[in-house]
Amino acid sequence: AQSVTQLDSQVPVFEEAPVELRCNYSSSVSVYLFWYVQYPNQGLQLLLKYLSGSTLVESINGFEAEFNKSQTSFHLRKPSVHISDTAEYFCAVRLQGGSEKLVFGKGTKLTVNP
Amino acid sequence: DTGVSQNPRHKITKRGQNVTFRCDPISEHNRLYWYRQTLGQGPEFLTYFQNEAQLEKSRLLSDRFSAERPKGSFSTLEIQRTEQGDSAMYLCASSPLGGYGYTFGSGTRLTVV
Repeated sequence: AQSVTQLDSQVPVFEEAPVELRCNYSSSVSVYLFWYVQYPNQGLQLLLKYLSGSTLVESINGFEAEFNKSQTSFHLRKPSVHISDTAEYFCAVRLQGGSEKLVFGKGTKLTVNP
Repeated sequence: DTGVSQNPRHKITKRGQNVTFRCDPISEHNRLYWYRQTLGQGPEFLTYFQNEAQLEKSRLLSDRFSAERPKGSFSTLEIQRTEQGDSAMYLCASSPLGGYGYTFGSGTRLTVV
């Protein structure tokens, strides 16, 4: 069965600093990879996804993630964060050609301080 | 398109009572999913439907839990004889056939007292 490990439960940073949220996965077969963001009292929103092709994927609000097959990682990065990026971020995987379900990590709470 | 709608937003119930939640997916989405999220954890898969067919159920879904999607549109999740351990956020999501990312609703927060 597949699993997702998010290595940091909380990441505090100052505004305009760079940030990296780490995600490692375990699976015996190929997977699709996702990052979701959850703002307080809201549902999860898809931030970006890796399905195939270029290993670097970007979101519309400046986040990017790179799929590294050899290290089974899909770390999320942003070069300069804003206060509004404060949220919880979840990494998730889904088997290619298998079950439709997403398996989520425990989440990383990003807090951007002024 | 109003997104995925879940009702109620909050539910407080006494232990032993039955509760039912409703999810209205995006209208053209064939697939509907239920997840449960407890404090400090990521969402955990419960079950999913393709149209009205329930295609997969997690072992987390004990016999006290049942989900339906009778006409392939809205879905209900019922918990019978609630326990304190059922307290969680219940999330519904939908996706089109062949889609890879879900659209989540805002969830129903259940508190069992």
